[in-house]
Amino acid sequence: NAGVMQNPRHLVRRRGQEARLRCSPMKGHSHVYWYRQLPEEGLKFMVYLQKENIIDESGMPKERFSAEFPKEGPSILRIQQVVRGDSAAYFCASSPPGGLDTQYFGPGTRLTVL
Amino acid sequence: GDSVTQMEGPVTLSEEAFLTINCTYTATGYPSLFWYVQYPGEGLQLLLKATKADDKGSNKGFEATYRKETTSFHLEKGSVQVSDSAVYFCALSDPRTNTGNQFYFGTGTSLTVIP
Repeated sequence: NAGVMQNPRHLVRRRGQEARLRCSPMKGHSHVYWYRQLPEEGLKFMVYLQKENIIDESGMPKERFSAEFPKEGPSILRIQQVVRGDSAAYFCASSPPGGLDTQYFGPGTRLTVL
Repeated sequence: GDSVTQMEGPVTLSEEAFLTINCTYTATGYPSLFWYVQYPGEGLQLLLKATKADDKGSNKGFEATYRKETTSFHLEKGSVQVSDSAVYFCALSDPRTNTGNQFYFGTGTSLTVIP
């Protein structure tokens, strides 16, 4: 059973470009979470999604950031017009239906904005 | 609101030394508590968890006991190995009061074990 998959593992963008980060949850998991880890800090919650629904986006910046989890395909975290402060590791986690108390994390995407 | 406070590092120990990483929490409900480990360049791996007071989570020689009276979940290992070198994160979650089920993480404690 493959774990949570994220790609790309490393992403370099110039200021003003768009970044798209992908996350495929574990098989059978219908809940996806995105977290951001700034250098020397812990993970901060961004958004919680189920298939085709955003359940909680209270940790997501109001501008430039969006997330989706379509019926088919991976979850996407999209950052428009990136700035240097967006440089961070972005982690995706998933949990199964009824197993909300444990989250399984992917390897992360390390975004560098030049 | 819910939060986790974790012992700051970095921590450097000799092989076979005893490890304690302190973690205390603040929560409005009755959270589940977790320790995650992050090896260099990798994502977080669940190390152990406890879902109610006085529960002890254990895995790979690591232990942590959920202490409601002191709101703590300290991580311990009796004899560390070089391969334990990593960053350790304490976290909490309470799906019963947290509709988003977000996890709250501490800032992480970096552990280096030297031979």
